[in-house]
Amino acid sequence: GQQLNQSPQSMFIQEGEDVSMNCTSSSIFNTWLWYKQDPGEGPVLLIALYKAGELTSNGRLTAQFGITRKDSFLNISASIPSDVGIYFCAAAGGTSYGKLTFGQGTILTVHP
Amino acid sequence: GAVVSQHPSWVICKSGTSVKIECRSLDFQATTMFWYRQFPKQSLMLMATSNEGSKATYEQGVEKDKFLINHASLTLSTLTVTSAHPEDSSFYICSAIAPGPTQETQYFGPGTRLLVL
Repeated sequence: GQQLNQSPQSMFIQEGEDVSMNCTSSSIFNTWLWYKQDPGEGPVLLIALYKAGELTSNGRLTAQFGITRKDSFLNISASIPSDVGIYFCAAAGGTSYGKLTFGQGTILTVHP
Repeated sequence: GAVVSQHPSWVICKSGTSVKIECRSLDFQATTMFWYRQFPKQSLMLMATSNEGSKATYEQGVEKDKFLINHASLTLSTLTVTSAHPEDSSFYICSAIAPGPTQETQYFGPGTRLLVL
């Protein structure tokens, strides 16, 4: 099925570094969501974006809904070891109302 | 944020038995819930959309007679894996749409790990 193009696939960084990941699509979406999943757990919503151009922060996390409605990025500043996990972007509001289209995920490893 | 729970968190069963997984929205009502399965190191794969008071909508390739879904109330959806086999072993995750600006924000449960022996 349709997927979002999420990059990078994985990142290995030192504690304190900033992180950036993004998702792109060939389709327009009305909602962009960023989730974090820890091993053996369900995804936890980090940030929800509802308007093109919207820039939203949640603590050290910042995400933006691209002006074209076809992309979004997530930044994490001053990473800490507990940021380790898999980050997924997801988008909704395309042709299938309510359903989410997911990115492949970005595996983040933070070295102390 | 909205809270979604799942029960059980893990289950081990013998091949041929049926397993029921519950998904509850704890602090909001959800007319629509979703069921996903996830294999190791992969993204979530949507299995079906559960609609309160009506039949579930299954994704292509998902057997509706094998994965029975019942959305009996605005806070509960159940997934029953019938006659489970080892290949059904997976991580099953539900989600629910919570009220919000676009009615498209999904909150996920903690998942249920199923192991079929």
